[in-house]
Amino acid sequence: DQQVKQNSPSLSVQEGRISILNCDYTNSMFDYFLWYKKYPAEGPTFLISISSIKDKNEDGRFTVFLNKSAKHLSLHIVPSQPGDSAVYFCAALRGGTSYGKLTFGQGTILTVHP
Amino acid sequence: DTGVSQDPRHKITKRGQNVTFRCDPISEHNRLYWYRQTLGQGPEFLTYFQNEAQLEKSRLLSDRFSAERPKGSFSTLEIQRTEQGDSAMYLCASSPSSRDRGTEAFFGQGTRLTVV
Repeated sequence: DQQVKQNSPSLSVQEGRISILNCDYTNSMFDYFLWYKKYPAEGPTFLISISSIKDKNEDGRFTVFLNKSAKHLSLHIVPSQPGDSAVYFCAALRGGTSYGKLTFGQGTILTVHP
Repeated sequence: DTGVSQDPRHKITKRGQNVTFRCDPISEHNRLYWYRQTLGQGPEFLTYFQNEAQLEKSRLLSDRFSAERPKGSFSTLEIQRTEQGDSAMYLCASSPSSRDRGTEAFFGQGTRLTVV
């Protein structure tokens, strides 16, 4: 039962262009969403998050959009840089919990070409 | 280095052997999590500790798996009678309870287990 889905296993983008990574979820109880970035041989690192009471959150080159009715969120990276090449995971938190039990998607491999 | 530390980084074991992994969280963090990641998948939640109390266990954590955090600091994850299906990356994460849930979860580099 994959409650958080990233349907694109990989994405290739030219340096300077926009990268758009997508994520869909099925559980209506999720109320907080996060994006993590993972380099090879390292653990995931937190990138940006959004609460379900918002539809957009921005942090520098990274913006996350949430469409609750469609149960869809996306991460926009503008402009993309070669150092952004990594695996990106979407994750969700269920409302009513007081701690960070995360449900992750399968990940999308982003490659930014110089 | 004040990040989450996991040991060993890699472990190769024969099927049927027992293995134990260690996680040292960031010192002031009282929340500790274990996740498992298999190839092509995202991390899957295994268990959660608040200080020394294990407050939630996933159904993924069969009776061959046991986790402890005896003094509320480091944690161990033991797998008994390993099976080839246990081959995965085992990730530990920690967070302070005073922060918003989830946003400040810091992950270690993981222990990659290969069962042959």
